[in-house]
Amino acid sequence: TQLLEQSPQFLSIQEGENLTVYCNSSSVFSSLQWYRQEPGEGPVLLVTVVTGGEVKKLKRLTFQFGDARKDSSLHITAAQPGDTGLYLCAGVGSTSGTYKYIFGTGTRLKVLA
Amino acid sequence: NAGVMQNPRHLVRRRGQEARLRCSPMKGHSHVYWYRQLPEEGLKFMVYLQKENIIDESGMPKERFSAEFPKEGPSILRIQQVVRGDSAAYFCASSPGQGGSGNTIYFGEGSWLTVV
Repeated sequence: TQLLEQSPQFLSIQEGENLTVYCNSSSVFSSLQWYRQEPGEGPVLLVTVVTGGEVKKLKRLTFQFGDARKDSSLHITAAQPGDTGLYLCAGVGSTSGTYKYIFGTGTRLKVLA
Repeated sequence: NAGVMQNPRHLVRRRGQEARLRCSPMKGHSHVYWYRQLPEEGLKFMVYLQKENIIDESGMPKERFSAEFPKEGPSILRIQQVVRGDSAAYFCASSPGQGGSGNTIYFGEGSWLTVV
């Protein structure tokens, strides 16, 4: 069974601080996505990483895919209250020949003004 | 998540009734996924469908739950004889292809089911 574990599960920080969220697995994924979800809404795609070692930047967010494509990290610089939400990673893996998107357990971020 | 349409957004059912949740994928997408999210938890995979086919239903409860994606019309997740434990947000997602490098799924805004 392919599992994705995220850490930390909960994070409360002050505006302006930096933070890193981790997404780890023992399985190899062909690609990995990061989503953010706000209360009462569906997950919104932030980024897709495909190549081992790939780094993508989205304004103050930096995403990295591990060299072995088993893990990923999301770093937020100078967090703002608008960054508050549930961050989910999702890996594309194959089980019995069928591709499946497997979601991590999620990290709930709260940025205090 | 623009383009994946789910309805109803909110549904209240009494125990024992049936709930039907609909999902229209993004234009050009023929792959649909259903996920369930309990309060304060992450997303749990339920079922993966293509037009007229169930590809993977390993996350579906064995009883009372069914899903379809007909040739014409939306995908439907059907829950019969609902119980309080079925109360959750149900998210539909779609993608243009099955998976592999670079494929991405896009989510709808969810259907919130409350069983009273």
